[in-house]
Amino acid sequence: DTGVSQDPRHKITKRGQNVTFRCDPISEHNRLYWYRQTLGQGPEFLTYFQNEAQLEKSRLLSDRFSAERPKGSFSTLEIQRTEQGDSAMYLCASSFPSLYYNEQFFGPGTRLTVL
Amino acid sequence: AQSVSQHNHHVILSEAASLELGCNYSYGGTVNLFWYVQYPGQHLQLLLKYFSGDPLVKGIKGFEAEFIKSKFSFNLRKPSVQWSDTAEYFCAVTEGGGADGLTFGKGTHLIIQP
Repeated sequence: DTGVSQDPRHKITKRGQNVTFRCDPISEHNRLYWYRQTLGQGPEFLTYFQNEAQLEKSRLLSDRFSAERPKGSFSTLEIQRTEQGDSAMYLCASSFPSLYYNEQFFGPGTRLTVL
Repeated sequence: AQSVSQHNHHVILSEAASLELGCNYSYGGTVNLFWYVQYPGQHLQLLLKYFSGDPLVKGIKGFEAEFIKSKFSFNLRKPSVQWSDTAEYFCAVTEGGGADGLTFGKGTHLIIQP
């Protein structure tokens, strides 16, 4: 499978714990995006990278959220001191934009449940 | 800031009926527009996209959408739906060039009854 992959697919944690999710983009894609999707809503954009540079992070939900893409390949999203309101599906997408358009390909997501 | 409105949150149709799902966006500049679909248990997949040129775009599985700039709309259509079209449909927008993340609507849950 050469699509976007995410690990783990499901994560259950207790309030106050830290969690980290991984995303592996399509191999030739230089842009990587993180989104959050809660029940009954569309995905909400959080942050994105071009290669290893994080070009937008003002949309991260709080300072408990951080993301990295150290070598411009896979990325991690960390949530510190989780809260019950963090329970959601976390989606990753990647793209290789042309001059005119940017088509994003989504992974299966990581479903987080905070107890 | 951009926003996307999808007017129909739940739609129930019988097989062979025609489908139109509404999508309006709020952004005055150049936009790229998308419809994504999420089948039960699967991840988001791109149905179709508009970047420029012909405002009537055709996607996979017989879907099409029309970009009407004056109405800030990008409605999704299919002349005859099938049971396998049961899914969640999301309209999304990004600014022209699309460097930033997508702004999604809340989605429309479509159920096709056999």
